[in-house]
Amino acid sequence: TQLLEQSPQFLSIQEGENLTVYCNSSSVFSSLQWYRQEPGEGPVLLVTVVTGGEVKKLKRLTFQFGDARKDSSLHITAAQPGDTGLYLCAGARAGTALIFGKGTTLSVSS
Amino acid sequence: NAGVTQTPKFQVLKTGQSMTLQCAQDMNHNSMYWYRQDPGMGLRLIYYSASEGTTDKGEVPNGYNVSRLNKREFSLRLESAAPSQTSVYFCASSEMGTPSVAFFGQGTRLTVV
Repeated sequence: TQLLEQSPQFLSIQEGENLTVYCNSSSVFSSLQWYRQEPGEGPVLLVTVVTGGEVKKLKRLTFQFGDARKDSSLHITAAQPGDTGLYLCAGARAGTALIFGKGTTLSVSS
Repeated sequence: NAGVTQTPKFQVLKTGQSMTLQCAQDMNHNSMYWYRQDPGMGLRLIYYSASEGTTDKGEVPNGYNVSRLNKREFSLRLESAAPSQTSVYFCASSEMGTPSVAFFGQGTRLTVV
C-alpha cells in the first residue's frame, strides 16, 4: 500500500515554464518534507512543513501543506535546467520512520 | 563534516553470496535507517533503528538483517544475495523529535548476477 501518492511521475518541460508537483495521502502526517535527488547522490532536504495550511518559499520554489495535513504541493516558477532532478515527498508520523512517495522526475530543457 | 558515510559505493555479487553494507554517521543522531531505491518505486524502508540497541522491520525486510553496532554505525547484511536485491541502497540518520529530518549517504549500487 502506497501511503503517499506523488503526481505526476514524470515531467518534461521547457525552461521558463511553471509546474506543480502533488503529494497526496489519506493519512495525517505530523510533518511533510520535500527532498531533491540528483543522479548518483542521496536525497537532500529542501523544506519541511509542519502546520496545516503552511506555505514556505525557497527562491522560485513554493511549498504548501494542506489544511488537514494529508497533502502537499511543490510549485516551481520559471523552471531552469538546474531544477532537473528527482523530487521526493516524505511524511513523518511520531514514532515511525519517514514514508516516501515514489517521486517525480523533472527534466527542464533549455 | 562527513555526515553519513556508506561503504562500498559499488558492489557486484553472485547469487548466493553474502555481504555487509556499512554505514556510519557523525552527527550524533539517535535514529538510523536503511532504504532501497528501485526505478519507479521511490525509497522503501528495509529496517530502521530508532535508538542504539533497537531495530525494527520496515516495508521490505525479507532477505536482510541489520546490526546497530553503536550509536554511529548501522550495518545491513545480505546473507544469500538474490537478483531481486539488485538495487541502490541508502543509509540515513535523523534526530528524534518532530520534524524528523533525514540525512542520507551517497548510496551503494548493488548488482546481483
